[in-house]
Amino acid sequence: KAGVTQTPRYLIKTRGQQVTLSCSPISGHRSVSWYQQTPGQGLQFLFEYFSETQRNKGNFPGRFSGRQFSNSRSEMNVSTLELGDSALYLCASSLSTGFGNTIYFGEGSWLTVV
Amino acid sequence: GENVEQHPSTLSVQEGDSAVIKCTYSDSASNYFPWYKQELGKGPQLIIDIRSNVGEKKDQRIAVTLNKTAKHFSLHITETQPEDSAVYFCAASITTGKLIFGQGTTLQVKP
Repeated sequence: KAGVTQTPRYLIKTRGQQVTLSCSPISGHRSVSWYQQTPGQGLQFLFEYFSETQRNKGNFPGRFSGRQFSNSRSEMNVSTLELGDSALYLCASSLSTGFGNTIYFGEGSWLTVV
Repeated sequence: GENVEQHPSTLSVQEGDSAVIKCTYSDSASNYFPWYKQELGKGPQLIIDIRSNVGEKKDQRIAVTLNKTAKHFSLHITETQPEDSAVYFCAASITTGKLIFGQGTTLQVKP
């Protein structure tokens, strides 16, 4: 059974540009969440989607957005990139929404902003 | 607000010894507590999780204990091996999909 798949794995962008990251959850999983990992801030929750609806949102500016498609695949977008957006962006999926659903992570997309 | 404190930040043990990592959470509504292992260049890998209606869970060399009264939970790794060397993260959740992570513990197992 394939795990959570994220593309691209590595990318370099220039300040001011925008970026779109893609995530395919584990087959049958309907909940997708996104996290940002940096050395300074650690792992921080961005948002969660279930049935194409955003269920939860973390404390990130509006430049960070996401969406989920009817096949549960998800994308996140960061507009007007800043140097501080350089990070590992992780996608995670779980079977459903609700108490204690096990959450599995992908390998992440490494974003470098120059 | 929601917060998870994790200690120690680094831990060095001899192969075969036990390792213990401790976490404290702030929100008493937290009900799900997973532990992840992250190796260099990879995403976090779930190694064990525990839910609030259980006090202890074991999977081979790995065990997790939960004390809801004290809002503490701990990871115990016995008979450590060099391949256990990695960064370990605890997390707590009060709502689906949103995990609050600890700061991580770098575990080094010396052969």
